[in-house]
Amino acid sequence: KNEVEQSPQNLTAQEGDFITINCSYSVGISALHWLQQHPGGGIVSLFMLSSGKKKHGRLIATINIQEKHSSLHITASHPRDSAVYICAVEGWNQFYFGTGTSLTVIP
Amino acid sequence: ETGVTQSPTHLIKTRGQQVTLRCSSQSGHNTVSWYQQALGQGPQFIFQYYREEENGRGNFPPRFSGLQFPNYSSELNVNALELDDSALYLCASSLALGIQETQYFGPGTRLLVL
Repeated sequence: KNEVEQSPQNLTAQEGDFITINCSYSVGISALHWLQQHPGGGIVSLFMLSSGKKKHGRLIATINIQEKHSSLHITASHPRDSAVYICAVEGWNQFYFGTGTSLTVIP
Repeated sequence: ETGVTQSPTHLIKTRGQQVTLRCSSQSGHNTVSWYQQALGQGPQFIFQYYREEENGRGNFPPRFSGLQFPNYSSELNVNALELDDSALYLCASSLALGIQETQYFGPGTRLLVL
């Protein structure tokens, strides 16, 4: 059983769609990270959350500590948003990663 | 551009060999973490170093070891390579330990074990 579960695994959207990616975790955490990975492997840290909500441009991340759940939202999606989005949780001296959500945004 | 570099970018080794991968963190970043990402899977945490000491470790055998140096560089060493060690190895640095620290990822080293 994975400590971090993401859904959906794959997502295809039309340009302009509102996108939601979900992450559930089963361990106690000190922080949750949303990462973006483009083809070729480069990883960019999008958000780090320990509570509430953060917004950066068209990206919004929320976390509910009681429910052990986080969501990443992309508003007005664009083909350049096509990437793998990974949820990672930071436990006590340990990181756990989801397997990622592969997003393709079609023009 | 995260300011974190890794070398080499690609590497081919044979089973049983040893490999050293290098990471150069942003200046001032005292924490570095290493991850292994097999093809089609999410990254797996290998270990974390803080001020040159191992601070946490994932489920990896002792043949995976690391070093962190005062000049904000670090190494991941893997002995007795196995075919399953073929993966993308990522390092990430942050300013310090703590829940408010963003991790900055390097581009990764792609290792192929034949």
